[in-house]
Amino acid sequence: DAKTTQPPSMDCAEGRAANLPCNHSTISGNEYVYWYRQIHSQGPQYIIHGLKNNETNEMASLIITEDRKSSTLILPHATLRDTAVYYCIVRVPSGNTPLVFGKGTRLSVIA
Amino acid sequence: GAGVSQTPSNKVTEKGKYVELRCDPISGHTALYWYRQSLGQGPEFLIYFQGTGAADDSGLPNDRFFAVRPEGSVSTLKIQRTERGDSAVYLCASSLSGGNTIYFGEGSWLTVV
Repeated sequence: DAKTTQPPSMDCAEGRAANLPCNHSTISGNEYVYWYRQIHSQGPQYIIHGLKNNETNEMASLIITEDRKSSTLILPHATLRDTAVYYCIVRVPSGNTPLVFGKGTRLSVIA
Repeated sequence: GAGVSQTPSNKVTEKGKYVELRCDPISGHTALYWYRQSLGQGPEFLIYFQGTGAADDSGLPNDRFFAVRPEGSVSTLKIQRTERGDSAVYLCASSLSGGNTIYFGEGSWLTVV
């Protein structure tokens, strides 16, 4: 079972920041937080991951609380092409453990 | 370079028939995963290969489902005596051993009629 809780859906105006929350209150010390997204009719796409420090790449920023029990994925300037289902997943990367997906958050970016 | 390639992209088959779905992982990726995704749900883990061997097949729903990876590269997911409930998107993914990033293919859409 997924160890994360996400809101089922969110809306965001085009050009504004999209902030997607995720709760993972039972996260273990060696588990990372991963974010993937799935655009309609495509396979899931890796976005970002982190352990405890905030991370940023060309796609997004990941903010992890100090107690690591929750995190927020930030898309700084959402576009219509960011409309997708966003999955927050906790995982130990060593041993190639599989990703366990929940239902994710369906983000709709509105013009 | 090429990503994870899955064939066929779409397959319609009759109930009771046998189906094979193929996955060609990213070159050099030793870890390979199969997932199944039903409408409105997140992907569901089926089986994971490390090299040629199945390291974890706990997600296979029953003995009608089987997967192989004989040379540690291409993998085939085999479904016997298909049922209408097997209709789903079957996703394949791969990664480097110990790699943080798992890369997914576009999926094979299976419809059992």
